[in-house]
Amino acid sequence: DAGVIQSPRHEVTEMGQEVTLRCKPISGHDYLFWYRQTMMRGLELLIYFNNNVPIDDSGMPEDRFSAKMPNASFSTLKIQPSEPRDSAVYFCASKKGGGYTFGSGTRLTVV
Amino acid sequence: GNSVTQMEGPVTLSEEAFLTINCTYTATGYPSLFWYVQYPGEGLQLLLKATKADDKGSNKGFEATYRKETTSFHLEKGSVQVSDSAVYFCALRAPNAGNNRKLIWGLGTSLAVNP
Repeated sequence: DAGVIQSPRHEVTEMGQEVTLRCKPISGHDYLFWYRQTMMRGLELLIYFNNNVPIDDSGMPEDRFSAKMPNASFSTLKIQPSEPRDSAVYFCASKKGGGYTFGSGTRLTVV
Repeated sequence: GNSVTQMEGPVTLSEEAFLTINCTYTATGYPSLFWYVQYPGEGLQLLLKATKADDKGSNKGFEATYRKETTSFHLEKGSVQVSDSAVYFCALRAPNAGNNRKLIWGLGTSLAVNP
């Protein structure tokens, strides 16, 4: 099993640009989570899905952020327009019973 | 509400020293408790867990005991190695969570082990 796959690993973009982060969960996992990690705020849950349906998006900071899960094997997190304060590491995680399995993260830098 | 409090880092130890990272929680009832580890440049990995009072989770030489009386789940290891250098996160899942699979996370404790 390849684990949770995120792409890209690193993204540097200019303020105002659209950014799309991608995640492929582990096959058979029915929960998918998007997290943001920063030094100041630690690990923050943005949104999570169960069976491709968004269950709780209360952590999404504002309307500039959106997430989709069109099928069981793919999810995206989009930021439009991006701002410097969005710079962080974004993690995707999936689970089915047991503990979470995290991807390696996408380090986003907005300049 | 539910919350997790971890000791602040960074924690710096010499190889073979004894490690304790404190974690206390606030929750109604009996939450499930977890420790995750994040190695440099990687995502978090489940290290160990406990789902009821007095349970002891263990993995890779690390242990943590679910203490209801002190609402604690302290992480311990008898002899740390350089390869244990990482950030450690304590987390809980509320009891009676039903379909809610959100974890409540501590802020993480950075551990650096020197040779």
